[in-house]
Amino acid sequence: AQSVAQPEDQVNVAEGNPLTVKCTYSVSGNPYLFWYVQYPNRGLQFLLKYITGDNLVKGSYGFEAEFNKSQTSFHLKKPSALVSDSALYFCAVRPSGGSYIPTFGRGTSLIVHP
Amino acid sequence: DAGVIQSPRHEVTEMGQEVTLRCKPISGHDYLFWYRQTMMRGLELLIYFNNNVPIDDSGMPEDRFSAKMPNASFSTLKIQPSEPRDSAVYFCASSLEGAYYGYTFGSGTRLTVV
Repeated sequence: AQSVAQPEDQVNVAEGNPLTVKCTYSVSGNPYLFWYVQYPNRGLQFLLKYITGDNLVKGSYGFEAEFNKSQTSFHLKKPSALVSDSALYFCAVRPSGGSYIPTFGRGTSLIVHP
Repeated sequence: DAGVIQSPRHEVTEMGQEVTLRCKPISGHDYLFWYRQTMMRGLELLIYFNNNVPIDDSGMPEDRFSAKMPNASFSTLKIQPSEPRDSAVYFCASSLEGAYYGYTFGSGTRLTVV
């Protein structure tokens, strides 16, 4: 069975500092990995994905994520945080073959302080 | 495309009443998912459809929950009778086969059962 762990319920960072939101996964075979962001009272919005190729994936709003196969991780990063980045972030995984069903992590609340 | 459209945005109902949530997926998407989000359990997959056919409903909590997809552009999630513990935000999402471009979520329906 596939699973996703987001070990931090909350991440606090000062505006202008780099941020990292952690994600580790477990899946049979090669993974498809996704990051989503949820603003208050809104649905989940797609940020970026890793399907294959370069381990460093760039996405929306200046976010990027690094796929590390040996550590089964897909951490979300941004060089300089903005207050407007404050939101709930979800990591998701599904296998490259077979089921198309993604498994989502519990989510990490990112709080960027002015 | 207007994205995945859910209605209503908010629903307040009394315990024992029937509740129907509606979803219009993105045109051309052949997968549709219903999720429930709560603070306690995070994002739970309830059921998903492929080409209008229910594939896996193992996440549906009880027989009180039912979902249909009569055509490619419309799906419903029904709770009958509703209970206070059903209070949550219900999301509908759709994707193309393979989900190479991720999953598109609606804005959700916030259900409160009193």
